[in-house]
Parts: sequence; structure tokens; C-alpha cells
Amino acid sequence: GDSVTQMEGPVTLSEEAFLTINCTYTATGYPSLFWYVQYPGEGLQLLLKATKADDKGSNKGFEATYRKETTSFHLEKGSVQVSDSAVYFCALHYGGSQGNLIFGKGTKLSVKP
Amino acid sequence: GAGVSQSPSNKVTEKGKDVELRCDPISGHTALYWYRQSLGQGLEFLIYFQGNSAPDKSGLPSDRFSAERTGGSVSTLTIQRTQQEDSAVYLCASSLGGGTLGEQYFGPGTRLTVT
Repeated sequence: GDSVTQMEGPVTLSEEAFLTINCTYTATGYPSLFWYVQYPGEGLQLLLKATKADDKGSNKGFEATYRKETTSFHLEKGSVQVSDSAVYFCALHYGGSQGNLIFGKGTKLSVKP
Repeated sequence: GAGVSQSPSNKVTEKGKDVELRCDPISGHTALYWYRQSLGQGLEFLIYFQGNSAPDKSGLPSDRFSAERTGGSVSTLTIQRTQQEDSAVYLCASSLGGGTLGEQYFGPGTRLTVT
């Protein structure tokens, strides 16, 4: 079945370091791909998305490119801040009657000053 | 505007009791989802509503779990004869529907503890 695999955390970085969180997926069709973020004490919120191959999603300095050839959607940020400390979830979605998001297990990021 | 709200925020119940969890989606959102978040299992899909209909109930873990949605708005998730393995955070999300089904807005969750 369809699934999403993320790198296991926790990931600990110093402020201004470069961030990569790996995400790969297994899909029978052509899903849209998402990154959701859960800040401490808050609900999940959409960070960015890409709906087709080679699309790049970006928001708040984060980027991810939909790579069909490697079935990947890695999250990157050039310079992390303490406020980026959160749990990041990669997800895929087909739409139509299959409404649910399929999530990875999440990667906890801690950024130290 | 108002986001997705859920109540109660915390619920402690004894094993064997029934519980009802409530979700108020964003006004105008036709699609509504329930997920369960637990340490060992990550985020699990439970059920999806489009309007008042549930085209996908595939994630409900057993027949002790049921959900309904009325008036295309509020939804309740009911767990009968709760078990300790039901302890988790239950998340509700809503979306506009159509091509934006993947863009889901999540509520803060209900933390359920079964003792």
C-alpha cells in the first residue's frame, strides 16, 4: 500500500545551520505531497505542498521539491532558527473519494541557540 | 476567522465506559476528517466525511468506534467500551473539499486517557 517514510529523529541543530529532513514515499498513483508542522503545544498546520512532479513548494524559508524519479520530497531550510523547533510530518494525498492524508511518523527538530 | 475546535481538550475515563468527542470544523468546509495520534503509531486516519456522508470509514479500528456528522457541520466520534489502547490524542481536521482536500486545517485535539 501507499506509505511515507521519514528520517527518524530527533534532529538537533545549532541556530543558522542547514536543515534537511528526508522523506520518501511509495505510491501506486500520482499523489500530491505535503509537509505539515506541529509546534509545541499547537495543532498541526500545513507548511508547504507540491501537486506534481518537479513542483517546488516553499514557505517560511522552507523548500521541498517533488522528485518522481527518486520518489522523494525532502524538506530543506538554509538557516534554521530556534523558533523552527517542532515536529515535521511528510504526507501524501490522492484526493477524490480517498480523502485522507497518509503521514510519515514525524521528525522532531530541536534548534539550539 | 475561527479555526477548527474540539471538545473536550482532555478526557480521562475508566476502561469500559463510552466517550464522545466533538469537532466543530471551519465554517463552509465540506470535508471533515478524524485522525488518531499516538506515540507508537504516529498519525492514523480514522474516518472522512464529505458533507454528512462518510465515503471512507476504512480507518476505524473496531466496531466500538463510530462517528457521525450532522448538518454538514459538527461531528462526534464515539468510542464505546473504551480500552486502554484507545488512549491517544484524537485530531479533527476540515478542508474546503474539491481539489483542496489535502490542505487540511487541524484542531488542537482531544487527549483521551483510559485508566
